[in-house]
Amino acid sequence: DIQMTQSPSILSASVGDRVTITCRASQSISSWLAWYQQKPGKAPKLLLYKVSTLESGVPSRFSGSGSGTDFTLTISSLQPDDFATYYCLQYNRFWTFGQGTKVDIK
Amino acid sequence: EVHLLESGGGLVQPGGSLRLSCAASGFSFNIYGMGWVRQIPGKGLEWVSTINTVGDRPHYADSVKGRFTISRDNSKNTLSLQMNSLRVDDTAVYFCARADSGLVTFDFFDSWGRGTLVTVSS
Repeated sequence: DIQMTQSPSILSASVGDRVTITCRASQSISSWLAWYQQKPGKAPKLLLYKVSTLESGVPSRFSGSGSGTDFTLTISSLQPDDFATYYCLQYNRFWTFGQGTKVDIK
Repeated sequence: EVHLLESGGGLVQPGGSLRLSCAASGFSFNIYGMGWVRQIPGKGLEWVSTINTVGDRPHYADSVKGRFTISRDNSKNTLSLQMNSLRVDDTAVYFCARADSGLVTFDFFDSWGRGTLVTVSS
């Protein structure tokens, strides 16, 4: 089974900050990685897939990078609407989510 | 607009059964793979099961294999999850999700329902 290790678990930041979240796979997953945003009581929302392809309607301040086992989600300038929990998902072989990163207000 | 609406959640005793349904609308249901993802309240996301377009290629997480059965009715645009031998640790919100393809192989989930809560407790 492929394990996904996401860090940090909690990230405290301010509006305007550049924020970086990482995911590490236990084995190579090529570029089969997606990122989701989830707010309390809501369904996850797709942000990016295939590492860096931005889903339609998602602001360009979100970007993704990496390949193989190490991946990064970057928010270039944190906005009030971005305080949420973020998850990575590998879909190279079956599906595994990272443990999540809660981005809260500093 | 893609719309996924889960139903069938509720309170069930350990060892009991429950059947979840997901009504899909706003897209051609029969050309997309579908899946279930669950979330213990306050915790992370866990993939449960997926099924391809024609329903002959189901996949299950080890934690539910042999107890849960995924199925679909393309004539009714409905996805189902039959859950048997339920355990306390199956308590979670269950989300229905659409895959970005027919799931000949693996793919990401691009649309999600709002979820239905399953509580397993005596």
